[in-house]
Amino acid sequence: NAGVMQNPRHLVRRRGQEARLRCSPMKGHSHVYWYRQLPEEGLKFMVYLQKENIIDESGMPKERFSAEFPKEGPSILRIQQVVRGDSAAYFCASSPLGGRSNQPQHFGDGTRLSIL
Amino acid sequence: DQQVKQNSPSLSVQEGRISILNCDYTNSMFDYFLWYKKYPAEGPTFLISISSIKDKNEDGRFTVFLNKSAKHLSLHIVPSQPGDSAVYFCAARATQGGSEKLVFGKGTKLTVNP
Repeated sequence: NAGVMQNPRHLVRRRGQEARLRCSPMKGHSHVYWYRQLPEEGLKFMVYLQKENIIDESGMPKERFSAEFPKEGPSILRIQQVVRGDSAAYFCASSPLGGRSNQPQHFGDGTRLSIL
Repeated sequence: DQQVKQNSPSLSVQEGRISILNCDYTNSMFDYFLWYKKYPAEGPTFLISISSIKDKNEDGRFTVFLNKSAKHLSLHIVPSQPGDSAVYFCAARATQGGSEKLVFGKGTKLTVNP
């Protein structure tokens, strides 16, 4: 399966702990996007990255959240000092090209984060 | 401020009939529109897209129509099948300053009854 791979699928953390969510894009894709979905809501954009660069982080909360996409390895979404409101499904998507390529983003199956 | 709206939370149709899912948007800068299908506990799966330079795109049983003047798009599925039962999300791309972020509606849950 050469699709977008996210792990873990489920993550349980206690308030104040750190959560690390990983995403490996589809083979040949160099653009990664993170979205968050709250219950009964649509997906909300968080951040857009290319290798070693953050292109758009306008949807990221200013504190506790960070993202990276290193030269080697998966993209990581990191949430420090988690709170109950961080409970959500976090989806990663990838695409092969940026700009006006009209290439769809392809999504992974998400990480369900639960905060106790 | 919801820029992409799917005003019908749910839709129920009979197998073999046409399903029409609607989507409205407010941002005139959107230039690319997509429909995704989502099953529970899975990620969204890309279905079909349309560029703002077109008014129709067809792929098998799926057709998307775009009315730019009304800022409205719709997804037609014909004939509908029970396996089409899922949540359908409309999404629009806002290409601002090089970003490719998608703006999603809240989704419409389609149920196709045998």
